[in-house]
Amino acid sequence: ETGVTQTPRHLVMGMTNKKSLKCEQHLGHNAMYWYKQSAKKPLELMFVYNFKEQTENNSVPSRFSPECPNSSHLFLHLHTLQPEDSALYLCASSQGLGLGGYTFGSGTRLTVV
Amino acid sequence: AQSVTQLGSHVSVSEGALVLLRCNYSSSVPPYLFWYVQYPNQGLQLLLKYTSAATLVKGINGFEAEFKKSETSFHLTKPSAHMSDAAEYFCAVSALNSGGSNYKLTFGKGTLLTVNP
Repeated sequence: ETGVTQTPRHLVMGMTNKKSLKCEQHLGHNAMYWYKQSAKKPLELMFVYNFKEQTENNSVPSRFSPECPNSSHLFLHLHTLQPEDSALYLCASSQGLGLGGYTFGSGTRLTVV
Repeated sequence: AQSVTQLGSHVSVSEGALVLLRCNYSSSVPPYLFWYVQYPNQGLQLLLKYTSAATLVKGINGFEAEFKKSETSFHLTKPSAHMSDAAEYFCAVSALNSGGSNYKLTFGKGTLLTVNP
């Protein structure tokens, strides 16, 4: 596979559930990102990892817990979410400092019921 | 701080007509600017980018954008719209984060392009 792969594509979870989103990049990039895309709101940067070290956390609630075991894999662990957390979660990666732009995955559509 | 404003959340054109999607930016340093496209149920795909070289940037699918510093604009154009261009378009500005370890993208709210037959 090439590019950035996200699984699952769709996820429905209850507010008491625990689930994880997975992202894998096959581009040899060193940086990975989680974005949240909600209806009628700009894309929100959640977390940034560079060489598997977290370099940015944009005041994201602790019910979202990222994990980056290596430069190719990124996870977003979810627990006790709220209905307002329903959104499209996008993973991206970039090379170097990211000046060339990001490569995005197709996203996970999350619905919290 | 950097920011992006996309004028018009929805633009509708006829097939074959000119496409013009507007983007204005605010940046305290020379900006790096991007246009992305998002098709339904897909992630974002890079259309083109400005990184301080030529002010007229050509991208994929016949799109181009012109960087105008005096107007702080980076509008996206295509001479002749095609039905397959219907999608949401995002303008983004890149800025170095506070730690200096990454350039992070700040996106506009997006413009939904509809192409009528």
